Amino acid sequence: NAGVTQTPKFRILKIGQSMTLQCAQDMNHNYMYWYRQDPGMGLKLIYYSVGAGITDKGEVPNGYNVSRSTTEDFPLRLELAAPSQTSVYFCASLGRSNQPQHFGDGTRLSIL
Amino acid sequence: SQKIEQNSEALNIQEGKTATLTCNYTNYSPAYLQWYRQDPGRGPVFLLLIRENEKEKRKERLKVTFDTTLKQSLFHITASQPADSATYLCAPIYMDSNYQLIWGAGTKLIIKP
Repeated sequence: NAGVTQTPKFRILKIGQSMTLQCAQDMNHNYMYWYRQDPGMGLKLIYYSVGAGITDKGEVPNGYNVSRSTTEDFPLRLELAAPSQTSVYFCASLGRSNQPQHFGDGTRLSIL
Repeated sequence: SQKIEQNSEALNIQEGKTATLTCNYTNYSPAYLQWYRQDPGRGPVFLLLIRENEKEKRKERLKVTFDTTLKQSLFHITASQPADSATYLCAPIYMDSNYQLIWGAGTKLIIKP
């Protein structure tokens, strides 16, 4: 059972570079989420999607973009990376509202 | 806006004792409340869900309570073991939230042998 798969696991970027964090799920879930987690802090929602072709901003969307062309994939794009974007990024999926979210193992991103 | 408060200080418990973690929320009660476990370097893993109209939910050594008067959920681990050491997150679900969860910062639990 693959569940939610995130790639890469680790990445170091220079300031101003761009990259895409990949997220794929094989559970046919409609809802998908991107979070960032800073040390000692809770999960902050960046973007979410309620189905293919539909995305919306979360609490901290600035500096990020997403797309959802298929049910399975929900990539997160960082444009012009900044040191404030150093964090651990988690992708999650959800089937129905009263069911648990399923998380990937995260991408640890450092911007230097 | 809704806020979730969990004890930010680590909780140290002797092996075999019961660990109790607290989750407080503001404003109105959520329809559901979930508890997750997070190990270092890993994503959160779901443990239990309790509904607004349920007082208590159990799963093996785990128990969750939901008190809408106190605006609080308690998470208990009985007969605690060192393997229970992790960070525990609570996440209320509000029906008007478009399936967004609001997450507490989590409480780090340390079970000492």
